[in-house]
Amino acid sequence: AQSVTQLGSHVSVSEGALVLLRCNYSSSVPPYLFWYVQYPNQGLQLLLKYTTGATLVKGINGFEAEFKKSETSFHLTKPSAHMSDAAEYFCAVSVGSGNTGKLIFGQGTTLQVKP
Amino acid sequence: GAGVSQSPRYKVAKRGQDVALRCDPISGHVSLFWYQQALGQGPEFLTYFQNEAQLDKSGLPSDRFFAERPEGSVSTLKIQRTQQEDSAVYLCASSLSRVNYGYTFGSGTRLTVV
Repeated sequence: AQSVTQLGSHVSVSEGALVLLRCNYSSSVPPYLFWYVQYPNQGLQLLLKYTTGATLVKGINGFEAEFKKSETSFHLTKPSAHMSDAAEYFCAVSVGSGNTGKLIFGQGTTLQVKP
Repeated sequence: GAGVSQSPRYKVAKRGQDVALRCDPISGHVSLFWYQQALGQGPEFLTYFQNEAQLDKSGLPSDRFFAERPEGSVSTLKIQRTQQEDSAVYLCASSLSRVNYGYTFGSGTRLTVV
């Protein structure tokens, strides 16, 4: 069965510092992988996705993630944190035949950015 | 519309009351999903529609939960005889493609059962 594990429920960084949010997945078939961001009282916004092809994917707001099959990881990074990056981040894997199915989400990581 | 619209935004229900939550997907989107997000948790899948067909309802927690999308556009999630454990945010998402390339979420309906 597919699953997602996000290491660290809370991450705190200083403004301007590197952001690293960790995600490991388990999947019996080639996965589609996603990172979503959720601001308070809002829905989820897609940051980036990996489907096939290039393993380093770039998303919105300066975020990027690298798919590493050997490590079953899809960690999210950003070189320099902004105050506006403070939010909840969710990693997810797509399951279902032909990847037409549901998303399995991790538990989420709360990113705090200190001035 | 420009995005996925959900209503009501907030709903308080007395235990035992029936509720109906509405989702207006992006026009023309084929796929529609419902998720339940408990406080401090990631969203959990409830059900999936492709046009008007409900292809997967494996995530519905009990037979008190029912979803429909009769004309392949607007969808309604109905919860009968609500219980306190139903308190959560219910998220709707839609996608243009049948293949999941990352769909668009609505802002959700926060249901509180008292």
